[in-house]
Amino acid sequence: GAGVSQTPSNKVTEKGKYVELRCDPISGHTALYWYRQSLGQGPEFLIYFQGTGAADDSGLPNDRFFAVRPEGSVSTLKIQRTERGDSAVYLCASSSWGGLAEQETQYFGPGTRLLVL
Amino acid sequence: QKEVEQNSGPLSVPEGAIASLNCTYSDRVSQSFFWYRQYSGKSPELIMSIYSNGDKEDGRFTAQLNKASQYVSLLIRDSQPSDSATYLCAVTRGNNFNKFYFGSGTKLNVKP
Repeated sequence: GAGVSQTPSNKVTEKGKYVELRCDPISGHTALYWYRQSLGQGPEFLIYFQGTGAADDSGLPNDRFFAVRPEGSVSTLKIQRTERGDSAVYLCASSSWGGLAEQETQYFGPGTRLLVL
Repeated sequence: QKEVEQNSGPLSVPEGAIASLNCTYSDRVSQSFFWYRQYSGKSPELIMSIYSNGDKEDGRFTAQLNKASQYVSLLIRDSQPSDSATYLCAVTRGNNFNKFYFGSGTKLNVKP
């Protein structure tokens, strides 16, 4: 596709429920990132995939958060037992690994606005 | 101490003026630096990247990097009302080039 796409664009759920957020990266991009952005803050790193494997999941806040990328393309961020504090915009980004690691540039999708009531 | 610090603003400039946005970072060995623009309710959009000390120009935008002083700035010449947005500074830390640390952003208002 032309850019990173994310679905749904908005998700309202109740405290304690399970949610899945989907990201479809730019075609050919091998690296995929998940961020969370709260109001008035910059994006906060959650997890990074290189291909199918999670290369860095140090930003996941706790074990309620999990992400997968089984075929090295689409990724799903899964949140169990949602809490009101999980309400935020969840952003996905991808990059292409052009050869110079220090010059990797991340391109963001439109985000999923999650509201936990 | 936060990894990346930005003045939250708002920074108000008149149309046609130069807007100067600043960012400081804490990790002396940071190597990659990015400026993103984010309109209200939208996702971040890459404006500039810079990796070496000095200036990098792209159209009306100039990024300036000073690693010794650990700051990076973005100048916007001939500011337009359409430049009104929040500008996010992002840096990488050490040799981990894939984990971006973002500042909280500076809100820019360009007044017609």
